[in-house]
Amino acid sequence: AQKITQTQPGMFVQEKEAVTLDCTYDTSDPSYGLFWYKQPSSGEMIFLIYQGSYDQQNATEGRYSLNFQKARKSANLVISASQLGDSAMYFCAMREGPGANSKLTFGKGITLSVRP
Amino acid sequence: DAMVIQNPRYQVTQFGKPVTLSCSQTLNHNVMYWYQQKSSQAPKLLFHYYDKDFNNEADTPDNFQSRRPNTSFCFLDIRSPGLGDAAMYLCATSRGAQGSNQPQHFGDGTRLSIL
Repeated sequence: AQKITQTQPGMFVQEKEAVTLDCTYDTSDPSYGLFWYKQPSSGEMIFLIYQGSYDQQNATEGRYSLNFQKARKSANLVISASQLGDSAMYFCAMREGPGANSKLTFGKGITLSVRP
Repeated sequence: DAMVIQNPRYQVTQFGKPVTLSCSQTLNHNVMYWYQQKSSQAPKLLFHYYDKDFNNEADTPDNFQSRRPNTSFCFLDIRSPGLGDAAMYLCATSRGAQGSNQPQHFGDGTRLSIL
């Protein structure tokens, strides 16, 4: 089974509107971290937001927030007030366990296009 | 600004000709990673160093090697590149041994083309 599932093939949003990018995950480890990264067409991978499995509140970073539903194993990224510069590929990733050698597992990514 | 720097940004090599990609960091992170990313796919971890300890992924081809001469630098060596090795190569760093909440910080990547 896939550990990180991102099924939306491509998303479109009007500038200044909010958009939700879906991510579900699968793990039996009680300790894990969930990350969202943005990758513009230029290729660099930009860290956006982090949610820990023991965090009581949903993470927020500026216009980014994470809708974390632990029982459903989902960690959807919400981008508010979309900007043209938000057009990019977005990857959800998970790191299992507290060990130093625990690795990031990435989903397949979602393409977001912001329309003017 | 502290960062992860990859050189060169674009690299062209000939089929079978060895090539080396470099990564340096000023973050003083003890873990460094190399990923391969093909078009419209997720990054695939090749290997990582935790300090000087090398950790190879089981499905990383023998053609790919890595060196980390010190904390700041890490190199990816492709001994005999094939056409299937054309990809974006991403270097990343993180702080280890502090739990699962440490993000990986990525460089801008090196896009490798094989002629």
